[in-house]
Amino acid sequence: GDSVTQTEGQVALSEEDFLTIHCNYSASGYPTLFWYVQYPGEGPQLLFRASRDKEKGSSRGFEATYDKGTTSFHLRKASVQESDSAVYYCALSPVNTGNYKYVFGAGTRLKVIA
Amino acid sequence: GGIITQTPKFLIGQEGQKLTLKCQQNFNHDTMYWYRQDSGKGLRLIYYSITENDLQKGDLSEGYDASREKKSSFSLTVTSAQKNEMAVFLCASSWTGGSSYEQYFGPGTRLTVL
Repeated sequence: GDSVTQTEGQVALSEEDFLTIHCNYSASGYPTLFWYVQYPGEGPQLLFRASRDKEKGSSRGFEATYDKGTTSFHLRKASVQESDSAVYYCALSPVNTGNYKYVFGAGTRLKVIA
Repeated sequence: GGIITQTPKFLIGQEGQKLTLKCQQNFNHDTMYWYRQDSGKGLRLIYYSITENDLQKGDLSEGYDASREKKSSFSLTVTSAQKNEMAVFLCASSWTGGSSYEQYFGPGTRLTVL
């Protein structure tokens, strides 16, 4: 079945550090890939998505590029802030007709220290 | 814009008790989902429904029942709460018919079983 792997369970950075959270996926066809962010006490909310090979998604300084060759969608930000502290989920959409299940990675907890 | 409302926000129950969680959405979305969120384990799908009166089991359906009597509402029942169980239950909804559609999440219900 389809799967999403996030390598880092937790990441701790100082403000203005560079962030990378790795996301690799396994799926047939061309799923849409998503990054969600979840703040304490809230549900996950969409950060951005990408639907085609080499497409870049971006929002709030975060970005990721859909790479079908390496089946990756790594999240990056050049300079993190304390307010970026949250849990980040990589996810992929259902592809085949009759499949309605989204697949989520295990999540990466980011803590940014001022 | 729309919103997903989950009630209650906090739910405390006794071992063996039947507990019901409710979810309402005003997006007019076709598909609704229930996920369980445990720390470090990401989001696990319990049930989903692609239209009113439809129910589909997810990967974690044992011990749960669900009900979709209206397009806008989706309920989840814990049939016999387990002692020391603690998790956040997230409701989500989305359009169907296209893989680029995102899911919208509610704020969650936090369950504690004494």
